[in-house]
Formats: sequence, C-alpha cells, structure tokens
Amino acid sequence: KNEVEQSPQNLTAQEGEFITINCSYSVGISALHWLQQHPGGGIVSLFMLSSGKKKHGRLIATINIQEKHSSLHITASHPRDSAVYICAVSNNYGQNFVFGPGTRLSVLP
Amino acid sequence: EAGVAQSPRYKIIEKRQSVAFWCNPISGHATLYWYQQILGQGPKLLIQFQNNGVVDDSQLPKDRFSAERLKGVDSTLKIQPAKLEDSAVYLCASSPIRVPGTGELFFGEGSRLTVL
Repeated sequence: KNEVEQSPQNLTAQEGEFITINCSYSVGISALHWLQQHPGGGIVSLFMLSSGKKKHGRLIATINIQEKHSSLHITASHPRDSAVYICAVSNNYGQNFVFGPGTRLSVLP
Repeated sequence: EAGVAQSPRYKIIEKRQSVAFWCNPISGHATLYWYQQILGQGPKLLIQFQNNGVVDDSQLPKDRFSAERLKGVDSTLKIQPAKLEDSAVYLCASSPIRVPGTGELFFGEGSRLTVL
C-alpha cells in the first residue's frame, strides 16, 4: 500500500463547480503539503498544514490528523485551475517528503 | 525574491550518453533536493543535501547518477550513461528549514530529459 494516496485520479468539472480532492496517508506526519503543477511547469506550494484548516482565495485545505486524511477544496472553479494537484507528507521522524500520485483536474469553460 | 533556477529546461540525448543538470536554490536555503518525476507519477526523491553534505541518497542509482553541492549553494546532477527509463522531469527544490520535511518546499521549473 502506498504511503500517500489521492482520489480521484482524474477529475473533470464545469467552470463554477465546487471541487474536492482527497488525500489519505498511512504514516504519522509532521506536516502535509498541497502542491500544484501546471502542464510543462514547475511545482508551486499551495498549503503547508499540520492541523485544522487553511484558506487562500478560492482554495481551502483541511486536515484530520486522527483520520489521517486531508482535503483540498476549490470554490467557483475556473479553467485556469486546471493542473495536477499533489499531496505530500513528511513523517514524524522529519524524514523526506513522500508524494502522492497527483490528481489531474480539468475545468471546462 | 528570485526562485529556484534550473537549467537546461529541456534535453534530448541518446542512450548511453551523459547529461548534467544545474540548480541554484533560493538564497539562504540550506536544504536542497533533487527529485525525479516520471510522467503520471509523483516526484521521487533522488538526493537531499543539507548545506554541502548529503543527508539522504538512498534512492539514487549510484551506478549511473551522481550529484554534488560543493559550496553549499548550487548543485549539479549528472547521469552517465543514460538509459531509456531515465526519461523524466528532474526537479530541484529548496527549503529554508534545517529539519528535513518540516519546511515549505520551493521548486524550480524542472529539467525535462528525453532519452532516445
């Protein structure tokens, strides 16, 4: 079993829809990151969180430490949100990040 | 603030040839990572440096891959000889925090390698 799993693998939405991407992990963590990767581009860090909830513009990230689960929500989605969203965790031993396989999001106009 | 710089952005070589990638992290960032990302997969760590020392290179294929960060600033990753399965994007990332895995990661644009 992979240490970090994401669902769905692929997601197509219509502009304006509310989107949720899920991440579950099997190790104790010190931090969880949500990253965004556009086609042909580098990776941008969206959130780093270890508890609770964070909000930045139309993006909201939540984490439930007990359930080892995190969600990334996008409100009022837009075609420019089309990208691969990657969940990454570092374990309690402060070791290196383990990345999920990513969720490919396409938002259609 | 300047971001993580990588070059070249794209490289096409034939198998058994060699290639080198360069990374200049954000100024002051002590930790530098090299990741390999194969199409459709998440990044996989190749090597992590703390200043100019290697912290983790357990997943680096040392028979063909090498990396150095001589002065604790920029770094090079070399592949010699390249194999078809090395076709991937090589990502460099840096972090300002000394404790591995606890700081925010800043990524470069990546170097896309195609081995023919």
